[in-house]
Amino acid sequence: DGGITQSPKYLFRKEGQNVTLSCEQNLNHDAMYWYRQDPGQGLRLIYYSQIVNDFQKGDIAEGYSVSREKKESFPLTVTSAQKNPTAFYLCASSIMYRHNEQFFGPGTRLTVL
Amino acid sequence: QKEVEQDPGPLSVPEGAIVSLNCTYSNSAFQYFMWYRQYSRKGPELLMYTYSSGNKEDGRFTAQVDKSSKYISLFIRDSQPSDSATYLCAGGETSYDKVIFGPGTSLSVIP
Repeated sequence: DGGITQSPKYLFRKEGQNVTLSCEQNLNHDAMYWYRQDPGQGLRLIYYSQIVNDFQKGDIAEGYSVSREKKESFPLTVTSAQKNPTAFYLCASSIMYRHNEQFFGPGTRLTVL
Repeated sequence: QKEVEQDPGPLSVPEGAIVSLNCTYSNSAFQYFMWYRQYSRKGPELLMYTYSSGNKEDGRFTAQVDKSSKYISLFIRDSQPSDSATYLCAGGETSYDKVIFGPGTSLSVIP
């Protein structure tokens, strides 16, 4: 089955620690995205990547970092510089230049203790 | 003003009812409009997308866009308990621009 996987489903982190969220897709999509979802707010774009070894900041990139070494993988690191990291993180992918048809993974719930 | 706004609900309807979910947006350059369905603690799934104004129908779902009033609607006919979810509307200027999502409307269909 083609799709997007995110791991882990739930993640707990102590303040001051960096943590990396995994996102893998086997849809052969070129573009991948990371969003953050908070209650009462729309999905907010953190980073996106159109091709391997290239990525762009979204609206709320501060305190986050990404890499795109493989087409299938787009991990997100939440650094200790992110002031309010507790949220639901969603990874998505699409055909290049088809941002309007994004496919989402199941999400990772990050809680900072 | 947020670029895409939705009434958060919750909206509760009896099974079989016609549901109307609505969004407003502020960016007059939006040409693409999407509806996503998100079940609790899951990722959103693309339900429908439309280009420019007009209607699009897919089974029990109809998406409607009125660009003159910057208003987007999703109608669900013969609603089912399995339709209980949060519905996110979204817009974009072109297919390669970033998508702006609304906060979602929570829908509950009561058997």
